[in-house]
Amino acid sequence: QQPVQSPQAVILREGEDAVINCSSSKALYSVHWYRQKHGEAPVFLMILLKGGEQKGHEKISASFNEKKQQSSLYLTASQLSYSGTYFCGSNSGGSNYKLTFGKGTLLTVNP
Amino acid sequence: NAGVTQTPKFRVLKTGQSMTLLCAQDMNHEYMYWYRQDPGMGLRLIHYSVGEGTTAKGEVPDGYNVSRLKKQNFLLGLESAAPSQTSVYFCASSYSRSSYEQFFGPGTRLTVL
Repeated sequence: QQPVQSPQAVILREGEDAVINCSSSKALYSVHWYRQKHGEAPVFLMILLKGGEQKGHEKISASFNEKKQQSSLYLTASQLSYSGTYFCGSNSGGSNYKLTFGKGTLLTVNP
Repeated sequence: NAGVTQTPKFRVLKTGQSMTLLCAQDMNHEYMYWYRQDPGMGLRLIHYSVGEGTTAKGEVPDGYNVSRLKKQNFLLGLESAAPSQTSVYFCASSYSRSSYEQFFGPGTRLTVL
């Protein structure tokens, strides 16, 4: 079952902040975040593992609450280059090698 | 180091035709995946492989077959294409289990008429 992402779309002005949420109905071992620009392949941003680790990538950070089975991606002081569709991918661990991706959140950053 | 490459980039098929999409990676990754991406649906896993000679079904395997005869290659076959298989297909690979990032190829845009 696909994780649920919210919001579906968000429009920002350059310099504003945004939060993208990812919720799963299954227990999670890890959550992956990817960004895809129009017409391109998805690109890895970060992985969060069971244990509630908060990871950072430049001005993009994320958190993982395993009890709530949720992850959030934080984009701070957004730049034009942040525009794209963001996907979370969930994995339930064990012998499960698969990621199940959400439907994506379209982020548009305007000047 | 080319990373993950896919062949072809574009293809138009008629209903009932067959074709094979080729994915190649030069990173010595064990795991390889085939996804399809449709508007508003995100990435959905078709089949995957955890090593040479092994394959397994993903979320949407019907109508597709795969083979992993060599570690660096992962082939996706459509035996009898249907319009519902019109999509963008992405191949990805990763070093090991899902705790490692997946590297995606540039995609193949397939249209079935």
